[in-house]
Amino acid sequence: DAGVIQSPRHEVTEMGQEVTLRCKPISGHNSLFWYRQTMMRGLELLIYFNNNVPIDDSGMPEDRFSAKMPNASFSTLKIQPSEPRDSAVYFCASRTTGGRQETQYFGPGTRLLVL
Amino acid sequence: AQTVTQSQPEMSVQEAETVTLSCTYDTSESDYYLFWYKQPPSRQMILVIRQEAYKQQNATENRFSVNFQKAAKSFSLKISDSQLGDAAMYFCTWASGTYKYIFGTGTRLKVLA
Repeated sequence: DAGVIQSPRHEVTEMGQEVTLRCKPISGHNSLFWYRQTMMRGLELLIYFNNNVPIDDSGMPEDRFSAKMPNASFSTLKIQPSEPRDSAVYFCASRTTGGRQETQYFGPGTRLLVL
Repeated sequence: AQTVTQSQPEMSVQEAETVTLSCTYDTSESDYYLFWYKQPPSRQMILVIRQEAYKQQNATENRFSVNFQKAAKSFSLKISDSQLGDAAMYFCTWASGTYKYIFGTGTRLKVLA
């Protein structure tokens, strides 16, 4: 089985540009998470989807960030306009719910550098 | 609020030796899960081992095992026969039946040849 797939793996952009990060969760998983990892703040939960519905977006830094999950196999995280302080590694993770399956599986991450 | 504490920012181990990474947590819940994730230089977060709080038996995965002390709220990871590929950042993680996962600050493990 393929794991969580993220694209692009690396992104370098200039301040003010729009950035779109993509995620394909593991087939059959109905929960999806977007995290941001920085040296200063560690891993932060940005948004959580369950059955394609955003349940908690309180971690989204500001209105420049938006996330969508149009179907069970695809999600995007968009930053518009991007700023240098958005530079970080962005992870997507998925899991199944129900029963006692609480394990999150992470994608390889997208390393974003905003100049 | 739940917290996870990893008091060792960095550890070193000689190749083929055994090392133990410490983790303590604080929670008032009785049913929860604990995980160790490994993050090598590639930055991929890889699940190492998982423990369910209601199970008294310590989880093991090949060279990796945990010492789960529920009363003491302690969850240490033991790596036996350490290999160069074990060098990574290790994150202790707590989760309950919700979507909130609490990550520790990580322990960087160096493996010396």
